[in-house]
Amino acid sequence: QVQLQESGPGLVKPSGTLSLTCAVSGGSISSTSWWSWVRQPPGKGLEWIGEIYHSGSTNYNPSLKSRVTISVDKSNNQFSLKLSSVTAADTAVYYCARVQAGFFGYWGQGTLVTVSS
Amino acid sequence: EIVLTQSPATLSLSPGERATLSCRASQSVSSYLAWYQQKPGQAPRLLIYDVSNRATGIPARFSGSGSGTDFTLTISSLEPEDFAVYYCQQRTNWPPMYTFGQGTKLEIK
Repeated sequence: QVQLQESGPGLVKPSGTLSLTCAVSGGSISSTSWWSWVRQPPGKGLEWIGEIYHSGSTNYNPSLKSRVTISVDKSNNQFSLKLSSVTAADTAVYYCARVQAGFFGYWGQGTLVTVSS
Repeated sequence: EIVLTQSPATLSLSPGERATLSCRASQSVSSYLAWYQQKPGQAPRLLIYDVSNRATGIPARFSGSGSGTDFTLTISSLEPEDFAVYYCQQRTNWPPMYTFGQGTKLEIK
């Protein structure tokens, strides 16, 4: 059973960079799956941020593309998210998830990131 | 970008009743249509994928149907644990993009 666990700072200053890591256990990040980040502002719906394959290929949400970088660390079986120039609008619960043929089959528990000075 | 519109925004029903949730796409989508259940403080849980396939461990009272631009999640007889928020989600192949509906809150009447 694949398990995902997000980690990173819970507070980021405005204009700073949000950095999160998702550790994958119970399976290899080098499997035939894409790995994604999804976020959810408090009380609101879900927004896909982007995805990465173990080869390093990425796809990003066009609305966030200029500020997002997703990378993979195969040696540690994890992948990471960086979101630059953050504002209060980036305050959200950030989830990592495994993509299976167009849907998100496994999710991390989520981590709340607040953008505030 | 394909927009998914879910209706109703809130659905008030009693345990034992049948729930019908709608998801309408702004243009025709492929079979990459999924449904998720989310309870407060929890991550979304996959219920249905590829329009009508139940995910592992999902009870048979959950079913999905539809094609083209109109999709439906049906819960045949509501159990107390089914009251939650439900999201539909689709994937486009090019450009690669995933979008979610805004959610339907299923609440106890």
